[in-house]
Order: sequence, then structure tokens, then C-alpha cells
Amino acid sequence: SAVISQKPSRDICQRGTSLTIQCQVDSQVTMMFWYRQQPGQSLTLIATANQGSEATYESGFVIDKFPISRPNLTFSTLTVSNMSPEDSSIYLCSVKSPTGDEQYFGPGTRLTVT
Amino acid sequence: QKEVEQNSGPLSVPEGAIASLNCTYSDRGSQSFFWYRQYSGKSPELIMSIYSNGDKEDGRFTAQLNKASQYVSLLIRDSQPSDSATYLCAVNDYKLSFGAGTTVTVRA
Repeated sequence: SAVISQKPSRDICQRGTSLTIQCQVDSQVTMMFWYRQQPGQSLTLIATANQGSEATYESGFVIDKFPISRPNLTFSTLTVSNMSPEDSSIYLCSVKSPTGDEQYFGPGTRLTVT
Repeated sequence: QKEVEQNSGPLSVPEGAIASLNCTYSDRGSQSFFWYRQYSGKSPELIMSIYSNGDKEDGRFTAQLNKASQYVSLLIRDSQPSDSATYLCAVNDYKLSFGAGTTVTVRA
């Protein structure tokens, strides 16, 4: 499976500010995904990021709040904009296997908004 | 609303026993099914995938799928303390939908 890294691994931010999370993969992948895992909860898909097209957002998530870039087949960013304490979560990127439906996750970014 | 439901935990088993985890899903059109293991403070790690009805074994793990009953399970044989984690069931049609997870504790 691909090796996935995320930066930063954690951050503490003030409300009203924005944070950009980076996801880097060691091989080219078509489909990348961004998830949120709130404290004690399971994973919720934010959006699907395909290179060369606009990200597709799930219900309840909007581009103005979570803009996503996908400039090439190995990299993506997720920005959490105008943060509030409710945005405190772990944010995870994942990539889809080229040979099946399996997804593999990066180590995550733990965000705390004060 | 597509739903994935897992048996509520936490599940405590003695070392060496079998841990049995269950998952049901609502979307009959789902085609692929996954089990992830998540240690506290870590990201989910894929441990099993299953696409066809029946059993699939990988080491001490066995996944069982019954599409007619919309049911997928995970058995962990010879449970070890290192198996203590939260196990997430995920069901795929055009996206992965996750269950809430079952926390397993293996008692030494």
C-alpha cells in the first residue's frame, strides 16, 4: 500500500483563523479523500479530491468552509476556514487502491480550536 | 440514509479466546466491505477486505459476508493483548460508510 504523510500532525489554533493540512503520497493515485473524526466518533467523509477536477463535497460540508486543492496525483490540501471549537477533530486523508476499493489512511492531523 | 451498524461494545475477551464482531448495513447494493483496526490516538489500519459471500481468512482474522442478510462479521482467533483496539466496519458503494466501531479489550 502507499505511504501517506500529513502535515501538521497536530495544531492548536484560535477561533476565526484557518489551517491548511497537507497530504503527500509516495505514489500517484487517482482518488484521494478527506475525512473528519470527531472525538469519540467514527469517520465522516468530507470530500473526494480528484486531480484535475473540483472536489466533490458530502452533505453538510461546503467548499467555503473546507476548500480543497489537488494540484497533482501525489498531493492534496484541505483548509479548515474560519475555525470554531466545533472544528476540533482529527482530519485524515486517504487514498484508494488502484486495484480495488480499499482505502488507506494517513496518520491524521489532530486539530484543537480554542 | 445509508447506515452501517456494529454491535455495541465494549467487548472484553480473555487472551486466547475468539472475539466476534458483527456489522449490518442498509444498502443492498453495496459491493465491498472492510474491517479497520484503530489503536487509540492512531489512524485506521485496513486489516481485512471482502467482496464475495462466504469466509475469507488472513492469519488469525476471518471475515464473513452474507449479502442476502446484509451482514458482515470479523472473527479474531487466539486473541492477544495487542488486538485491543477499536474495530471499524466500512461498507462501500460509491464511498466508504463507517460504523461507529466496537472497542475490544483482550484481558491477559
